[in-house]
Order: sequence, then structure tokens, then C-alpha cells
Amino acid sequence: SAVISQKPSRDICQRGTSLTIQCQVDSQVTMMFWYRQQPGQSLTLIATANQGSEATYESGFVIDKFPISRPNLTFSTLTVSNMSPEDSSIYLCSGDRSLAQFFGPGTRLTVL
Amino acid sequence: KQEVTQIPAALSVPEGENLVLNCSFTDSAIYNLQWFRQDPGKGLTSLLLIQSSQREQTSGRLNASLDKSSGRSTLYIAASQPGDSATYLCAVRDNNNDMRFGAGTRLTVKP
Repeated sequence: SAVISQKPSRDICQRGTSLTIQCQVDSQVTMMFWYRQQPGQSLTLIATANQGSEATYESGFVIDKFPISRPNLTFSTLTVSNMSPEDSSIYLCSGDRSLAQFFGPGTRLTVL
Repeated sequence: KQEVTQIPAALSVPEGENLVLNCSFTDSAIYNLQWFRQDPGKGLTSLLLIQSSQREQTSGRLNASLDKSSGRSTLYIAASQPGDSATYLCAVRDNNNDMRFGAGTRLTVKP
């Protein structure tokens, strides 16, 4: 298995501001992903974080709103830009290892 | 496009009961299927991973089965305990490495 940590665990932000979420994996994973889970719903994939290159975004998500970095094989960041109340959600980082997927504890974001 | 459905959406049982959670998927060309547990406001914990060539996997009181041809998987929990209360999610990975999640079953085990 992989141990994945995220910072911050939660935050309350004002509309129009940005928040960067950090994800650290205990050792190398093949792929890293960012998901969003809105209240009462299942997970929606935002993007695949690619090491050293631009992330691959899913339909409905764009780089200007959710810039992602992955400078090495064990670390990635997701920024939620120009936030609105609709961005209130849990954001989850995930890594692939041995064809199984492992998740961080999530970042609970509330936008006022 | 793969669709994953979990039934029931919520389930409440008394402690000690055996129970089955269901997951169905529309495209049988899968690579593997994974069951997760999610506690309120927390991330996902991987429970069991079943490769497409396997029929079942067991871990402690948990047993997951896979019937690819019918597009179904079940998660069997034996002798349920209040600590089993959580949302259980199944996720299907296809041969293009895309994962699709079900909406989850919210389980409550009453003492």
C-alpha cells in the first residue's frame, strides 16, 4: 500500500481567493490523481498529475481554475483558484501502485 | 462509457448480522475492481482489489466477489460491528486505466 498525506486537512476561505493543497506520498507511485467529492456524492476525477509536464484534465475542469504541479514522483499540488461557494468540497489526492489506487485523507474546503 | 451503480444507497443493520453490498457495472471489459471504505469527512481506505481474472478476494471478515460476465461484484461483511459503519464505494478500472466510482452504500451497524 501507499501512505498519502495532504495539507491542509481543512480550510475555510473567502470567495475570490485561492488555496493550494499539497499531497505527499511515502514512496514513488506510478500516477497521481486529484479528485473532488461534493457533499453526498461520489468522487469526480479532476485531473491526472503528470511528473514534469502539464496535468491531463477531465472534461469540465480547466488548468486556469485548477492548476496542478507534480515536480517529482512523490509530490503534487492542486490549486483551487478564484474560489466560489460552489467549490466547497472535499479534495482528494490519490496514487497508483501495483494497479491499486490509494487515497489521501482529503482536504475539506468551505468557501464563504 | 462505464457506469457503476451501487445498491442499496443506504443500509442499516443490527450488530452481528451478515450483510451484502452490491456493485454493478455496464462494461464487462474491466481490468480490476476495488472496494473502498470512507468514513465521514475522510479519505478512502482500500479494502480489497480483485483482478479481472479473479473471482473473489478475502480479508478478515470481508469477502469480495466478481462476476465479470454479468457485470457484478458483491462485498460480504460477516458478523458486522458498529465500527463497520461507513460508506462503501466500489470502483472499476478499465483497460485504459480509467477508474469509475459508484455513488457508495452508506452502512450503519446499530449496537
